[in-house]
Amino acid sequence: DVKVTQSSRYLVKRTGEKVFLECVQDMDHENMFWYRQDPGLGLRLIYFSYDVKMKEKGDIPEGYSVSREKKERFSLILESASTNQTSMYLCASSTGSARASEQYFGPGTRLTVT
Amino acid sequence: AQKVTQAQTEISVVEKEDVTLDCVYETRDTTYYLFWYKQPPSGELVFLIRRNSFDEQNEISGRYSWNFQKSTSSFNFTITASQVVDSAVYFCALSEANNFNKFYFGSGTKLNVKP
Repeated sequence: DVKVTQSSRYLVKRTGEKVFLECVQDMDHENMFWYRQDPGLGLRLIYFSYDVKMKEKGDIPEGYSVSREKKERFSLILESASTNQTSMYLCASSTGSARASEQYFGPGTRLTVT
Repeated sequence: AQKVTQAQTEISVVEKEDVTLDCVYETRDTTYYLFWYKQPPSGELVFLIRRNSFDEQNEISGRYSWNFQKSTSSFNFTITASQVVDSAVYFCALSEANNFNKFYFGSGTKLNVKP
C-alpha cells in the first residue's frame, strides 16, 4: 500500500512564526505535491516537486516555500505565518510518467494561525 | 475561469437511493485525464478512477459508475443504492497534456447519506 504521512494532524501557531509541515512517502515516487484545501475552493496547488532539489510553483505559492533534499520527503515552509494561511494542508505523491498518474494523498494537517 | 466545475455543493439522500454527482470540465487540449477522488471524514483523499480523453466508454465498478461525455464536457459519477459509508466529499479533477502532473480540482460535492 502506498503510504503518505504528514507530521501533524493538527497544528496551532502564532502569527509571524516559521512553520514547517513535513511529508514522507514510502513508494519511491518521483513527484510530490502540496495543496491547501479551503471550503468552496477545493484543492489548490501550492508547490510541486518532480525530483530531489527540483520544485515548481503552483497556483498559490505566495507566502510559502518548499524543500526536497531527499526523494521521500517534501517539506512546506511558511516563512512568517499569517491568519490567512489557516487551512487544511494536503501532501500527495505520484510516479513520474508520460501520462497522468493518480496522486496518493496524506491525511492532511489542519493548521490554525492565531 | 474554473477548469472543473462541481455545481452541487451538498447533496443529501436516504440510504439505498441512487445519486449522481456532476462534473463539468473545460480544456482546449485534445489529450487530458479526468479523475474522481473521495474524501471521507478522516480527511485522506482516496483515488477512485482515472479516465483519458480518448476513452469514452462508461465504467462500472460495483455500485459506482462513471459517464464520460466529451460532447458536453462532463464526467459524472453515479452511486447506485447508496450506503451511509458513501458519505464523503467527492472531488473531480482534470490534468492536461501540457503538464500531466498538474491537477485542477473542482470545489467538491459533499454527499450525506442518511440511514
